[in-house]
Amino acid sequence: GENVEQHPSTLSVQEGDSAVIKCTYSDSASNYFPWYKQELGKRPQLIIDIRSNVGEKKDQRIAVTLNKTAKHFSLHITETQPEDSAVYFCAASFYGQNFVFGPGTRLSVLP
Amino acid sequence: DADVTQTPRNRITKTGKRIMLECSQTKGHDRMYWYRQDPGLGLQLIYYSFDVKDINKGEISDGYSVSRQAQAKFSLSLESAIPNQTALYFCATSDPGAGAGDGELFFGEGSRLTVL
Repeated sequence: GENVEQHPSTLSVQEGDSAVIKCTYSDSASNYFPWYKQELGKRPQLIIDIRSNVGEKKDQRIAVTLNKTAKHFSLHITETQPEDSAVYFCAASFYGQNFVFGPGTRLSVLP
Repeated sequence: DADVTQTPRNRITKTGKRIMLECSQTKGHDRMYWYRQDPGLGLQLIYYSFDVKDINKGEISDGYSVSRQAQAKFSLSLESAIPNQTALYFCATSDPGAGAGDGELFFGEGSRLTVL
């Protein structure tokens, strides 16, 4: 079955700097890759996603890149702000079935 | 607003007791999921259901069972709870036909279970 690895497990950045979180997946059939943000004590919420027919997708300060050949995808956050502090999860699935999540990255944005 | 509701939000129980966590949704989605969250392990899929007559095991189904009572209701049971089932449990729904990617997951607020 699918296996998703995520690095780093913790990440601290200064406010205004960029943050990058990387994920690798094992099943080449996976074709949908969402990212979820979970603030402390809250439920996970989708922040951005990408399909396998696209190499990059941007939404304001957030971007995701996908390398199908290497089977890895990354989340990029620019101009980080304190409200970006949270745990971020990547996931992989085949047409939205059986989402397999990475272990999460705890991002801390320091003022 | 349409939402996913979990009950109870917090529960403390003893080893060997039967526990049921309930999930109801007003989103009108066919797909429902139960996930378990442990620190450093992400979200692990326990069971999922794509419609009322469909039940499927996830990565960590041992020790758990589910019931899909209606399109809007999906319950998770621990027949005989054990301490290593102490975790935060999330119910989620999705609707791949809604145009939100290939099925954005909408999570409930979570049920924190402690087994002593």
